[in-house]
Amino acid sequence: GQQLNQSPQSMFIQEGEDVSMNCTSSSIFNTWLWYKQDPGEGPVLLIALYKAGELTSNGRLTAQFGITRKDSFLNISASIPSDVGIYFCAGFPRQGAQKLVFGQGTRLTINP
Amino acid sequence: NAGVTQTPKFQVLKTGQSMTLQCAQDMNHEYMSWYRQDPGMGLRLIHYSVGAGITDQGEVPNGYNVSRSTTEDFPLRLLSAAPSQTSVYFCASSRSQGSNQPQHFGDGTRLSIL
Repeated sequence: GQQLNQSPQSMFIQEGEDVSMNCTSSSIFNTWLWYKQDPGEGPVLLIALYKAGELTSNGRLTAQFGITRKDSFLNISASIPSDVGIYFCAGFPRQGAQKLVFGQGTRLTINP
Repeated sequence: NAGVTQTPKFQVLKTGQSMTLQCAQDMNHEYMSWYRQDPGMGLRLIHYSVGAGITDQGEVPNGYNVSRSTTEDFPLRLLSAAPSQTSVYFCASSRSQGSNQPQHFGDGTRLSIL
């Protein structure tokens, strides 16, 4: 089935630094979603992208839907301690749009 | 503002036991789904439902059953628990099926099979 490759798997940064992570696939996706998961909780939706080339911001977060429809990027500017967590990309493939596919996650750790 | 509610939050079972994980949503969402989350593997879809009375298999359905008798509830049943089913289980819902309907997740059930 379709798979999403998310990188990096983990990041260790200093507070105030910018963060960038990405997700790629060998097949085309209709929709890209970015979620954040805090310990002991379920994933929470951060940004949803619906069109190729779309660039969307949510506060310090910016995500883009790649023009090839096979990738997406999430950037976090000026990181703060509450940004710590696991970030997941997810997408609905062009075929089988009922089934959401997840990346493996990027674990973000911030040193104060 | 309950959203998606999962119970129990934690459970320990012995191999061979059966149990039901409960999921309820109060948003009148048509689409509901179950995922399992294992280290390094993200979330994998177990079963999903596009409306009351309709269910279908996801990526990893073996060993699990579901039913959808009401719009609000979507229980997940383990018929004979196995250690490989030790995982964190998440239920999610969205207004309808389709690629423009992001899903909202519950807080998960942490299940250990001994």
